[in-house]
Amino acid sequence: AQTVTQSQPEMSVQEAETVTLSCTYDTSESDYYLFWYKQPPSRQMILVIRQEAYKQQNATENRFSVNFQKAAKSFSLKISDSQLGDAAMYFCAYRSAYGNTPLVFGKGTRLSVIA
Amino acid sequence: DSGVTQTPKHLITATGQRVTLRCSPRSGDLSVYWYQQSLDQGLQFLIQYYNGEERAKGNILERFSAQQFPDLHSELNLSSLELGDSALYFCASSPRQAVYTEAFFGQGTRLTVV
Repeated sequence: AQTVTQSQPEMSVQEAETVTLSCTYDTSESDYYLFWYKQPPSRQMILVIRQEAYKQQNATENRFSVNFQKAAKSFSLKISDSQLGDAAMYFCAYRSAYGNTPLVFGKGTRLSVIA
Repeated sequence: DSGVTQTPKHLITATGQRVTLRCSPRSGDLSVYWYQQSLDQGLQFLIQYYNGEERAKGNILERFSAQQFPDLHSELNLSSLELGDSALYFCASSPRQAVYTEAFFGQGTRLTVV
């Protein structure tokens, strides 16, 4: 079974600075998808960014980018120019590319943004 | 708005009772997933339905059951409720084709057992 590990329960960053959240995963599959979801205080699950394992290029969405290291099974999220609205729980998730399967989530990292 | 609708948003009930949570997936999505999120914890996968049939099972208690109806909406039934069942229950859906690879989440049902 696949597992996702987020080793940083809490992180903080100064407004306008850059922060990187870590995620590692374990799988024997070669094709899969990785995601970062944001959960603000409203508790809504919001997709931040996705990465297809077969793509070598790291995904980027505005101020959010990932560092995908397939061999190391590492998938970190970098938030640039941090804003107060970025304060939230961030969850890393894995999904197999084989069939319509559920997402497997890490335990999350709580990000605080300091003004 | 993700297009996934969950009702009710909040539910308070007593121990030993039974409740039903409802989920309407995005139009056209065949897969429905149920997740449980206890206080400040990650999302635990409970169960998945695909086009009316159970597809995958996670850490779902025997006191819990679910089903997906012909119109593709799903219900999660929780019985003999205990204090520890208090949590946020999410429903998510995804399409049949892998055009979109993520799951789309509803806003959750917050269950409080007293």
